[in-house]
Amino acid sequence: QKEVEQDPGPLSVPEGAIVSLNCTYSNSAFQYFMWYRQYSRKGPELLMYTYSSGNKEDGRFTAQVDKSSKYISLFIRDSQPSDSATYLCAMSAVQGAQKLVFGQGTRLTINP
Amino acid sequence: GAVVSQHPSRVICKSGTSVKIECRSLDFQATTMFWYRQFPKKSLMLMATSNEGSKATYEQGVEKDKFLINHASLTLSTLTVTSAHPEDSSFYICSAVRTRNEQFFGPGTRLTVL
Repeated sequence: QKEVEQDPGPLSVPEGAIVSLNCTYSNSAFQYFMWYRQYSRKGPELLMYTYSSGNKEDGRFTAQVDKSSKYISLFIRDSQPSDSATYLCAMSAVQGAQKLVFGQGTRLTINP
Repeated sequence: GAVVSQHPSRVICKSGTSVKIECRSLDFQATTMFWYRQFPKKSLMLMATSNEGSKATYEQGVEKDKFLINHASLTLSTLTVTSAHPEDSSFYICSAVRTRNEQFFGPGTRLTVL
């Protein structure tokens, strides 16, 4: 079993839709949770960072962490074609952004 | 925002040759940098942790003699793929840690070994 599971998609939705991306994990030591966006042939870009359980909102993006279920989510509201990318969840048991374990990534396409 | 660069962005080499990839933090100092490998449609796999002034720490299954890492300064880490073979062809990405909570990624280097 992989430490972090993420549905690779692809996921295709119309512009303006709410997008829900999810990851599950097995290592209860994970305390730090991140979402990255990666455009084709580029390095990942940090979108959201969350410590422990709870919600965090930043503009159109909301990250949720449920440690009891070992489940994290990223919601994108009012999705735009420019949001089309691969979204990777990442987690760490070490304080901060050290030694990240990544999910496989979900390929998202927003159709105009 | 913090900027991390990689050079070269693409490299094609013959089997048996060595290739060096540079990772630079342009506007901050990074005591720690990480090297990842990413296969098509796959996630990033951590290869090694590079600490300035000390030996790199390699993840299980990564050959340290094959993937030489040097972190000579607070803004530069290099990955040398020695005696490259076609199975080493991949997308190599570095990241640099600005603070304990911030890890910034480079744009990646696509290596093709013929």
